[in-house]
Parts: sequence; C-alpha cells; structure tokens
Amino acid sequence: GNSVTQMEGPVTLSEEAFLTINCTYTATGYPSLFWYVQYPGEGLQLLLKATKADDKGSNKGFEATYRKETTSFHLEKGSVQVSDSAVYFCALSLYNTDKLIFGTGTRLQVFP
Amino acid sequence: AAGVIQSPRHLIKEKRETATLKCYPIPRHDTVYWYQQGPGQDPQFLISFYEKMQSDKGSIPDRFSAQQFSDYHSELNMSSLELGDSALYFCASSPGSLYNEQFFGPGTRLTVL
Repeated sequence: GNSVTQMEGPVTLSEEAFLTINCTYTATGYPSLFWYVQYPGEGLQLLLKATKADDKGSNKGFEATYRKETTSFHLEKGSVQVSDSAVYFCALSLYNTDKLIFGTGTRLQVFP
Repeated sequence: AAGVIQSPRHLIKEKRETATLKCYPIPRHDTVYWYQQGPGQDPQFLISFYEKMQSDKGSIPDRFSAQQFSDYHSELNMSSLELGDSALYFCASSPGSLYNEQFFGPGTRLTVL
C-alpha cells in the first residue's frame, strides 16, 4: 500500500544546529510529496512541496529534495531557531486522488 | 488572507450523543477534505467533496456522514459517539480537485466523555 515513514522524535537541538528529519515513502505511481508543520494548538501548515523527481522544495530556510531512486524526501535546515519547535509531518498524495497520506510526525524541540 | 474556518473550535459530548462540525473553505475553493487526528497520531483522511459531490472516501465510520452545501461549506455529522471518537478534526480546502495543495483550518477538538 501507500505509506510514509518518518524518523521518530523528539528531535532535540540547540539553536543554530543543523536539522535533518528523514522521510521515506512507498507509493504506486508518482506521488507528490509534502512537508507540513503543526505548531502547538494550531492546524497544519504547508511548509514545502515537490511534485516530481529531483524537484527541491524550499521555504523559510527549510529544504527537501524529491529522490525517486531512494524514495525519500528528507527535510533539512542549516540553522534552526527556537521558533521552529513544532511537529513536522511528511505526506504524499497520488495522481488520481487528493487525499494526503501522512507519516506519524516528528516533534522538533529547539533550545536556546 | 482569508483562511479555512472551522466551528466550533472545541466540543464536549457524552457517549451516544451526536455532533456536527462545520467547515467554511477559503473563498473560491470548491474542494473540502476532512481528517481525523487522534492524540499523538498522524491525521487520517476521512472524506472529501468536490463541487458538492463526494470525491473520495477514507476510513470514515458508518456512524459519520458529511456533505457539502451550495455555498461550498461542509458539515461532518457524527452520531452514536464513542470514546474513541475523541480527536482533533481538521478541514482543508483547495481550489479544484487534484490541485494538490490543501489549506488546513485550525481544527475542532472533540472530546467524548
């Protein structure tokens, strides 16, 4: 079936550290890939997306590259801030349906 | 910019009661999605509507029903509530089916006692 696997959290970092959150997927066909962020008590916000192989999504210093050969979409940021503390969800959608299939989420905690 | 509006934001019900959750999409968005997020879990797709017709269905219990109205707002009706229905219910909207980008509302937190 179609699924998303994320690294388990929490990920705990000091401010200005480098961030990587791993995400791999299993899907039939060619999915679109997304990273959503959920701040405490809030809804999901789209952070970035990529719709085809080798596309790089980027936003607010975060980046992720759609790697078809490794079926991965790892999230990276060069220098995290305390305000980046949130839960990050990797997700996919398939061509013939809009529904999003989410990973289990990774909690990021950034300390000053 | 206008966002997806959900009401109520919080709802407390007893077992076996009914609940109705409402979702108002971003203006000119004609597609609505419902997701359920249990405590500490990832959001699970329930159902979606495009131009007032059901477009996809996920793991929605038979006790739940939903519809999209002529003004594109949507309602999720939940009957015979169970303790396990306690969750955060998100609505998302997008401008057209298969657009790929979904804009999420703040969610309705349902607590069943």
